Amino acid sequence: LAKTTQPISMDSYEGQEVNITCSHNNIATNDYITWYQQFPSQGPRFIIQGYKTKVTNEVASLFIPADRKSSTLSLPRVSLSDTAVYYCLVGDHSNYQLIWGAGTKLIIKP
Amino acid sequence: DAGVTQSPTHLIKTRGQHVTLRCSPISGHKSVSWYQQVLGQGPQFIFQYYEKEERGRGNFPDRFSARQFPNYSSELNVNALLLGDSALYLCASSLDATVLGYTFGSGTRLTVV
Repeated sequence: LAKTTQPISMDSYEGQEVNITCSHNNIATNDYITWYQQFPSQGPRFIIQGYKTKVTNEVASLFIPADRKSSTLSLPRVSLSDTAVYYCLVGDHSNYQLIWGAGTKLIIKP
Repeated sequence: DAGVTQSPTHLIKTRGQHVTLRCSPISGHKSVSWYQQVLGQGPQFIFQYYEKEERGRGNFPDRFSARQFPNYSSELNVNALLLGDSALYLCASSLDATVLGYTFGSGTRLTVV
């Protein structure tokens, strides 16, 4: 299972675009990249998943370069309610578990 | 549609006691996974059950056990509780055995005193 490395914390301001980068140098051919968001005392919530290039949904975009050794979660025009911990995970459909790092604590200021 | 439901939401136990945590997956989901999350850390995998069989086990002592029932709900049991077992216990369900489509419950906050 590929390990991931993310910044421990980030600050930004309301209305800004926030980009969180994750390194996964040992990503395997069949691995997907998945991002979760977690608020205090709640379970993680799925944000977005991708394999290569760019994926966009109603809440975020995920950019994956050709070598797939990193990925960037992009949150457009953040608000105070986006303050949370964001986790990057890699794994394929045959894995029965995922390895979670400590995530990135994102704090949005007014 | 109800999401993943866990009970109880909070629990206080004494060292040495036993605890049972319960999880009901999303309707139609056949896989349930359990995670332990200590404050300030990411979730750590404990078990995955799929179609009532254990599919994977994390690096936890034998004091931890689980099972999945015919209706796909699940129980996590922890015996001989230690102070270090204090954590948020998360249940996640998915449609099949893949872990890439998890939906998590809100967890059970266990405090061991």
